[in-house]
Amino acid sequence: EAQVTQNPRYLITVTGKKLTVTCSQNMNHEYMSWYRQDPGLGLRQIYYSMNVEVTDKGDVPEGYKVSRKEKRNFPLILESPSPNQTSLYFCASSSEREETQYFGPGTRLLVL
Amino acid sequence: GNSVTQMEGPVTLSEEAFLTINCTYTATGYPSLFWYVQYPGEGLQLLLKATKADDKGSNKGFEATYRKETTSFHLEKGSVQVSDSAVYFCALDDYKLSFGAGTTVTVRA
Repeated sequence: EAQVTQNPRYLITVTGKKLTVTCSQNMNHEYMSWYRQDPGLGLRQIYYSMNVEVTDKGDVPEGYKVSRKEKRNFPLILESPSPNQTSLYFCASSSEREETQYFGPGTRLLVL
Repeated sequence: GNSVTQMEGPVTLSEEAFLTINCTYTATGYPSLFWYVQYPGEGLQLLLKATKADDKGSNKGFEATYRKETTSFHLEKGSVQVSDSAVYFCALDDYKLSFGAGTTVTVRA
């Protein structure tokens, strides 16, 4: 089954404790991206990747890092999480940037 | 820059009612337009799209027409069901995907 998976689905952490949210897709897609969803703001892009070893900032990259060492994986790293990073995070992938994006199920993060 | 504005919710309807969710956009180029739907506890999935002016996207009884003259892409469904309860996002793609704030729709039996 074609899908985008994210782990964990739910995470509660404390300020400053590094965490990684994994994202994996099995569709051989080149384009992957991370979004955060906040009430009243819709989805905002954090980072995106056009291909392996090619990443770039989206609209709200501060406080986040990503890497793309393999085509299927695109982890989101929060080196020192803060409460304003409490949000619902989605990973997405597509065959090309302008094609339909497939979204993962989301990761709900609470930073205390 | 590009932006998407969609009507605020929440919207509550009875089954078989007519649904309209307004969406207008601002873009410098000629973007593709999308409606994504998010069912409770799930990620977003594409509902329909239109890639050029006057195109009509349709899926699952939903329709939206790309209106360049009014910069709009309103979503409509003639007879909603309880299973249509979800959050609906309008989005445009003009070198970058930009989403509206989302509209929560609740359909009551």
